[in-house]
Amino acid sequence: QKEVEQDPGPLSVPEGAIVSLNCTYSNSAFQYFMWYRQYSRKGPELLMYTYSSGNKEDGRFTAQVDKSSKYISLFIRDSQPSDSATYLCAMSVSSSGYSTLTFGKGTMLLVSP
Amino acid sequence: GAVVSQHPSRVICKSGTSVKIECRSLDFQATTMFWYRQFPKKSLMLMATSNEGSKATYEQGVEKDKFLINHASLTLSTLTVTSAHPEDSSFYICSASGRASLSDTDTQYFGPGTRLTVL
Repeated sequence: QKEVEQDPGPLSVPEGAIVSLNCTYSNSAFQYFMWYRQYSRKGPELLMYTYSSGNKEDGRFTAQVDKSSKYISLFIRDSQPSDSATYLCAMSVSSSGYSTLTFGKGTMLLVSP
Repeated sequence: GAVVSQHPSRVICKSGTSVKIECRSLDFQATTMFWYRQFPKKSLMLMATSNEGSKATYEQGVEKDKFLINHASLTLSTLTVTSAHPEDSSFYICSASGRASLSDTDTQYFGPGTRLTVL
């Protein structure tokens, strides 16, 4: 079993839809969770960073962490064609930027106008 | 936010040549930089962790003599792919850990990537 599981998609939705992206993990030592957005042929861009279980909201994006179920989610409200990208979840055991990140495979999202 | 640049963005070379990729943190000092490799529709694979002024730590299965990493300053790390072969063709991405301001999160910030094609 891989440490981080993420459905690769693609996930196709119409503009304006609510998108739910998810990752599960097996290592209970993971304490810090991130979502990155990666456009084609570009480097990943940090979207959300969370620590504790619960929700964190930033504009149209909400990150949710359920440590008891080892399950994290990213919700995108009012999705736009510009949201079309690959979304990678990542996690680490330490809050330090020096710690190794473990990534999911990424979910490709396609938002059609 | 913290900005990381990479150069070149794309390189095409002949088999047997060496290619150097630069990774720079533009607005913050990065004691640690990471080098990743990404195949199409695959996740990021960590190749090595580079600390300023010391030898890089390579992940299992990554040839250190093949992928030379130098981290000579707090803002620059280089990856040299030596005697490149077609199977080395990939998307190479660096990241730098740190933050440019107090409002930034202390985590890894990624460069835009370098696409290497070996003919």
